[in-house]
Amino acid sequence: SAVISQKPSRDICQRGTSLTIQCQVDSQVTMMFWYRQQPGQSLTLIATANQGSEATYESGFVIDKFPISRPNLTFSTLTVSNMSPEDSSIYLCSAMDSADTQYFGPGTRLTVL
Amino acid sequence: EDQVTQSPEALRLQEGESSSLNCSYTVSGLRGLFWYRQDPGKGPEFLFTLYSAGEEKEKERLKATLTKKESFLHITAPKPEDSATYLCAVFDNTGKLIFGQGTTLQVKP
Repeated sequence: SAVISQKPSRDICQRGTSLTIQCQVDSQVTMMFWYRQQPGQSLTLIATANQGSEATYESGFVIDKFPISRPNLTFSTLTVSNMSPEDSSIYLCSAMDSADTQYFGPGTRLTVL
Repeated sequence: EDQVTQSPEALRLQEGESSSLNCSYTVSGLRGLFWYRQDPGKGPEFLFTLYSAGEEKEKERLKATLTKKESFLHITAPKPEDSATYLCAVFDNTGKLIFGQGTTLQVKP
C-alpha cells in the first residue's frame, strides 16, 4: 500500500490570496489525483496530475484556478488561486498503485475568510 | 452517465446488532468497486476492492459482496469503533473513481 502525506494539514486564508498544497507518496505510483470534499459531501475529482505534463481537469475545474504540478512519480502540488469563501473545503490527494487501488492522504482543511 | 447511490444515508445500530449497507451503481465498464472508511477530519481509508459479480472479501467484522448492479457491506456484531462514514466508489473504464454519498454509521454501546 502507499502512504500519502499532505502539507499543510489545515490553513485559514484571506480572500484573494493563493495556497499551495503539497502531496508526497512514499512509493512509486502510476497515477495521482486531487479531490475536493465539501462539508458533509462526498468526494469530487478536481483533476488527474500527470507527470511532466499538464493536468487533466474535470468539468467545472480550470487550470487558472487550480494549477497542478507533478514533477516526478511521487510528488504533486495543487494551488488554489484567488481564493473566495466558496473554496473552503477539504482537499485530498490520492495515488493509484499498480493494482489500481487508490489510497488517500489525510487531507488539507482550507478555510477562506 | 455513471452513477453510484448508497443507502441508507445514516444508520444507527446498537453494539452487536448486525446490518448491511447498500451501494447501487450504473457504470459503463466496471473495472472495480471500492469500499472506504472515513473518520471525521481524515482521508478515506481503503477497505476492499471487488472486481466481479459473486466476489466476496472479509476484514474483521466487515464483509463486502458484489453483484452486477450493487454491492453490500455487511457489518457483523459491530462495535462503537466501527462508527464512521463508509464510502463506495466505482472505478470505470475511463480510469476514474466515482463516489457515492456515503453511509454514516453510528454504533452505540
